[in-house]
Amino acid sequence: DIQMTQSPSSLSASVGDRVTITCRASQSISSYLNWYQQKPGKAPKLLIYAASSLQSGVPSRFSGSGSGTDFILTISSLQPEDFVTYYCQQSYSTRYTFGQGTKLEIK
Amino acid sequence: EVQLLASGGGLVQPGGSLRLSCAASGITFSAYTMNWVRQAPGKGLEWVSSISGPGGTTYYADSVAGRFTISRDNSKNTLFLQLNNLRAEDTAVYYCAKDSARRAIDYWGQGTLVTVSP
Repeated sequence: DIQMTQSPSSLSASVGDRVTITCRASQSISSYLNWYQQKPGKAPKLLIYAASSLQSGVPSRFSGSGSGTDFILTISSLQPEDFVTYYCQQSYSTRYTFGQGTKLEIK
Repeated sequence: EVQLLASGGGLVQPGGSLRLSCAASGITFSAYTMNWVRQAPGKGLEWVSSISGPGGTTYYADSVAGRFTISRDNSKNTLFLQLNNLRAEDTAVYYCAKDSARRAIDYWGQGTLVTVSP
């Protein structure tokens, strides 16, 4: 199976900061990389698909980049509601795998 | 509006069985690959299984292969997951989730909790 490694596991930041979260695949996955946001007690929500395409309805402060094995989720100006957990997921293989998650905390 | 309503979770003893269901509405159900994704308490997301739109192709995570069976009834817009020989480590919220045309999961159900305990 393709292993997905996110870094950091947790991140402290302030409202208005620009932050990046990295996701690395154990083999090339082309652009088959998606990003999700999960609030406590809720189902995940799709933010970015195909590495860099913004899902409908998602604020433009979220962006994604990368291809091959290395990917980045960028939040350009953190809002209070953004301090939750983020996951990457590969869909190159039919057996999907997720990163371990990155928890964004208020500094 | 797309809705995925999962049900069937509960408390079961180790070695026991459970059948989860997920009723879909607001989509042409038979057109989409569907998934089950689980999340153990306080842990991350784990993809469990997927099934093609017509139902003829299925995939499983190694952790559940041979114990879980995914199926669907397109006439009733319903997805299923049969869980057999359950273990403590299967304790999790189980989400049904729809694939988009771009191989991302664009809709998730609310989840149903499975607890495996003596």
